[in-house]
Amino acid sequence: GAVVSQHPSRVICKSGTSVKIECRSLDFQATTMFWYRQFPKKSLMLMATSNEGSKATYEQGVEKDKFLINHASLTLSTLTVTSAHPEDSSFYICSARPLAGGPRTQYFGPGTRLTVL
Amino acid sequence: QKEVEQNSGPLSVPEGAIASLNCTYSDRGSQSFFWYRQYSGKSPELIMSIYSNGDKEDGRFTAQLNKASQYVSLLIRDSQPSDSATYLCAVNLDYGGSQGNLIFGKGTKLSVKP
Repeated sequence: GAVVSQHPSRVICKSGTSVKIECRSLDFQATTMFWYRQFPKKSLMLMATSNEGSKATYEQGVEKDKFLINHASLTLSTLTVTSAHPEDSSFYICSARPLAGGPRTQYFGPGTRLTVL
Repeated sequence: QKEVEQNSGPLSVPEGAIASLNCTYSDRGSQSFFWYRQYSGKSPELIMSIYSNGDKEDGRFTAQLNKASQYVSLLIRDSQPSDSATYLCAVNLDYGGSQGNLIFGKGTKLSVKP
């Protein structure tokens, strides 16, 4: 149980294009999903918290117009990197918190490796 | 500034030995604590959670929590080469407004030598 998927697992795009990453909770409902970014040999950095049916809460320093988050249902959140640049190349990981798990548990997706040329 | 500190390692132990991973946190209001394992190029995998002072055992893993000392540790008994990974300590403030956000340490890289 508690499986979270991400699609795509890898994406290479040209500078200036937009990329959409999907995060799905497969066997549970999640009111809250989290988006993280991880640079090589660095720790996870929380980018934003996504709540179903409402606007995402972005962490300080994360541009909300650049990283668009949509949490349309209890099982799906999407992150769109708009006008991507090489410095956006990173490992993007989502996590989901089950409805039944209270505020304490998060399960991570397998991550999406983004390379911007 | 709420912080979670871990020794980055690498921590090297021989196969079959006990690996001891340590973590300290700065916010006394922290309520729940987690250990995640992350293999290179993969996303974190939850291996242990602990909420109360004392020890919690699950198979070869034991988590230890001491809230007075703001310290949480993970012991891995009978370490195997497949345990070689980066172990992330995460802390959840778990009170109003935090929405269950986790604060992660930078991780300790464990290497188990055959």
